[in-house]
Formats: sequence, C-alpha cells, structure tokens
Amino acid sequence: GDSVTQMEGPVTLSEEAFLTINCTYTATGYPSLFWYVQYPGEGLQLLLKATKADDKGSNKGFEATYRKETTSFHLEKGSVQVSDSAVYFCALSPSYNQGGKLIFGQGTELSVKP
Amino acid sequence: EADIYQTPRYLVIGTGKKITLECSQTMGHDKMYWYQQDPGMELHLIHYSYGVNSTEKGDLSSESTVSRIRTEHFPLTLESARPSHTSQYLCASNPMGQGAGGYTFGSGTRLTVV
Repeated sequence: GDSVTQMEGPVTLSEEAFLTINCTYTATGYPSLFWYVQYPGEGLQLLLKATKADDKGSNKGFEATYRKETTSFHLEKGSVQVSDSAVYFCALSPSYNQGGKLIFGQGTELSVKP
Repeated sequence: EADIYQTPRYLVIGTGKKITLECSQTMGHDKMYWYQQDPGMELHLIHYSYGVNSTEKGDLSSESTVSRIRTEHFPLTLESARPSHTSQYLCASNPMGQGAGGYTFGSGTRLTVV
C-alpha cells in the first residue's frame, strides 16, 4: 500500500542554519504531496503542497519539490529560526483519493537553538 | 483562529469508563476525520465521514465508534476505556470536492487512561 517515510528526528540546529528534512514515498499513480507542521500543543497546519511532478511548493521560506524519479519531497529552508521549532509531517493523498484521506509519515521533530 | 473545535483538550480517566470526545466545525465541511497520534508522533486514520449518516473505518483498527448526525458534529466514543487507548486524538475536516490540501485540524484531545 501507499506509504511515506521521513528521516528520523529529533533534528537540532542553530538559528540561521540550513534545514533539510528528507521524505520519500511509495504510491501507485500520481499522488499529491504535502508538508504539515505541528507546533507544541496544537493541531496540524498545512505548510505547503505539490500536486504533480516537478511542482515546487513554498511557504514561509520553506520549499519542497515533487521528484517523481526519486519518489521524494524533501523539505528545505535556507535559514531557520527558533520559531520554526515544531514537528513536521510529510503526507500524501493517493491518486485514487478515497475520500481525500491523507497518509502521514512518522513526523520529524525540529529544535532550533538560539 | 481555529474553525474546528475539540473538547476536552486533556482528559484523564479510569479504566472501564465510557467517554466521548467532541469535535465540531463551523465551516460546513462535508468530510471529517479522526486521527490517532501515538506518543511517537505517528498519525493513523481511525474513522472518517463523507457527510451526515456516513461513517467509515480508517486504516487503523480502533475500538472506538463515531456518529455523524449533523454536518458540523463528529463525536468519537469509547464504550470502555483501557490504558491502550492512551493517545492524542486529532479531528480534521475537508470540503467536498477539494483535495486533501484543504484539511483543517483541531487542536486535539490528549487522553490518558489510568
């Protein structure tokens, strides 16, 4: 079945460092891909998305490119801030899209130190 | 400001008790979902609904049940809570006809069964 795999955390960075969180997926057809962020004590929020191969999603300085050839959707940010500390989830919506369900990766915790 | 509300935010309850976790949304979304988030952060879909009187089981088997009598309300019930039910429960909604990127999540209910 369809699945998402993320790099294990926690990831600890200093402020202004470059961030990469790896995400790879297994899916039939052409899924849509998403990154969600969960701040402490809150629900998930959509960070960015891409719906077809080679699309680049971007928001708040974060970017991710849908790479069909490598089945990847890595999250990047050029200069992280303390306020970016959160848990990041990669997710896919299957191309067969049963009810718009999302399949999530296991989450990667990011901690940014001043 | 969140348009999907979950209550209670935190609940500690004894084994064998019956509990209902509330989820309400004010956006008129047809599709609603319950996810269980384990302590390792991974999210699993346990129930979803396409609209009033529609409920389906998700990918993870759960002893909980749900109902959808009104569009805005999607409560989850555990008839007899056990320590294995200790988890965070996240409710989400999505408009019909929109892909999974339209998800809105509630802030979650953190349940502890002692």
